[in-house]
Amino acid sequence: GAGVSQSPRYKVAKRGQDVALRCDPISGHVSLFWYQQALGQGPEFLTYFQNEAQLDKSGLPSDRFFAERPEGSVSTLKIQRTQQEDSAVYLCASSFRSPARGGTDTQYFGPGTRLTVL
Amino acid sequence: AQKVTQAQTEISVVEKEDVTLDCVYETRDTTYYLFWYKQPPSGELVFLIRRNSFDEQNEISGRYSWNFQKSTSSFNFTITASQVVDSAVYFCAQFLGGNQGGKLIFGQGTELSVKP
Repeated sequence: GAGVSQSPRYKVAKRGQDVALRCDPISGHVSLFWYQQALGQGPEFLTYFQNEAQLDKSGLPSDRFFAERPEGSVSTLKIQRTQQEDSAVYLCASSFRSPARGGTDTQYFGPGTRLTVL
Repeated sequence: AQKVTQAQTEISVVEKEDVTLDCVYETRDTTYYLFWYKQPPSGELVFLIRRNSFDEQNEISGRYSWNFQKSTSSFNFTITASQVVDSAVYFCAQFLGGNQGGKLIFGQGTELSVKP
């Protein structure tokens, strides 16, 4: 596709449920990033992939958060046993080159998934 | 540590007014990259501009212009003759590189409301 796509756009979960959020990056982009945006705040980094390798997961808030990109394209962010504090917009971004290889390319963002945990 | 500060939380203007959104950054690096993104009510972050520390020339794109001043660590964004469609939250961000890759560090955002 032309841009980064994410699904679902909206997700409502009951506390304790597991959720899976999908990101489809721009075709050919090596790098994929996940960010979390709380209401009224700027996005905060969660994790980064270079192809299928997860090179940085320093931003994941707890071990309930897990991300994968098994074939170096589509990525899934999974949150286990959701809590109310997980309610946020989850943004995915991709860039052509890899920061790990010195690239500082522009990151292009998808529309986000708004997660509400009741 | 790298940090981005957008001191203006909300700005309200009337259509056709000019408006400047402030951004102050902190960095220890000599080479760094700064960005502005727009987030309309639909939620998607739209890329506006990327600037590296080597290039201090100001940039103009239509009604948008950016003033990069290393001496004051500022990268301000001006919209000339604002329009209702400019209403959005605007984020300034800095690229933070590292051994394992890199990430964007965002400011808190400035919500711009342009009234007809």
